[in-house]
Amino acid sequence: SQTIHQWPATLVQPVGSPLSLECTVEGTSNPNLYWYRQAAGRGLQLLFYSVGIGQISSEVPQNLSASRPQDRQFILSSKKLLLSDSGFYLCAWSVRLAGQFFGPGTRLTVL
Amino acid sequence: AQSVTQLGSHVSVSEGALVLLRCNYSSSVPPYLFWYVQYPNQGLQLLLKYTSAATLVKGINGFEAEFKKSETSFHLTKPSAHMSDAAEYFCAVNLRGRYGGATNKLIFGTGTLLAVQP
Repeated sequence: SQTIHQWPATLVQPVGSPLSLECTVEGTSNPNLYWYRQAAGRGLQLLFYSVGIGQISSEVPQNLSASRPQDRQFILSSKKLLLSDSGFYLCAWSVRLAGQFFGPGTRLTVL
Repeated sequence: AQSVTQLGSHVSVSEGALVLLRCNYSSSVPPYLFWYVQYPNQGLQLLLKYTSAATLVKGINGFEAEFKKSETSFHLTKPSAHMSDAAEYFCAVNLRGRYGGATNKLIFGTGTLLAVQP
């Protein structure tokens, strides 16, 4: 069966520091991968999606970037965090049209 | 363009009462529709999905949803609420591509927070 991992689970970072969040999927090949952010009291905002290694589409201009160095690995990064980057970050995968399957999320607090 | 609207950001029911969470969609082509549940500080879990087969879809935890094309609705129901159903629920629709083909990208509603009173 397929599983999706995200780490770390929680993170507290100062403004201006770098960021690296990692997501890995097991049990499937060539999935579509997604990064979402969920700010307090708001819905899900799609940040990036990827259909293959090295293929990244950005949905909104922002302070973040994403990379997919391996088929089942998706990384969310920032060179300098802003206060507004705080939120709950979710990674998801999909194949065909069966829907998306989400990881457990990372709670990021920028102070 | 596709979209979903969830009516009621907060819904409160008594334990044992009917749960009804509303979702209306907008789509110029037959949609694929999904309901997700999110417990506090967790990821989203797929409850059920409609992909143009049976209009009444049964999901996990006793939930079901009915696709009604005439009403452009996909409301989520459960006959008897349990305390463990307290969570946030999201409706979503597949984004269609430029030429109408389905994609794997989803458009989410703003969510409905379900409270269950003892």
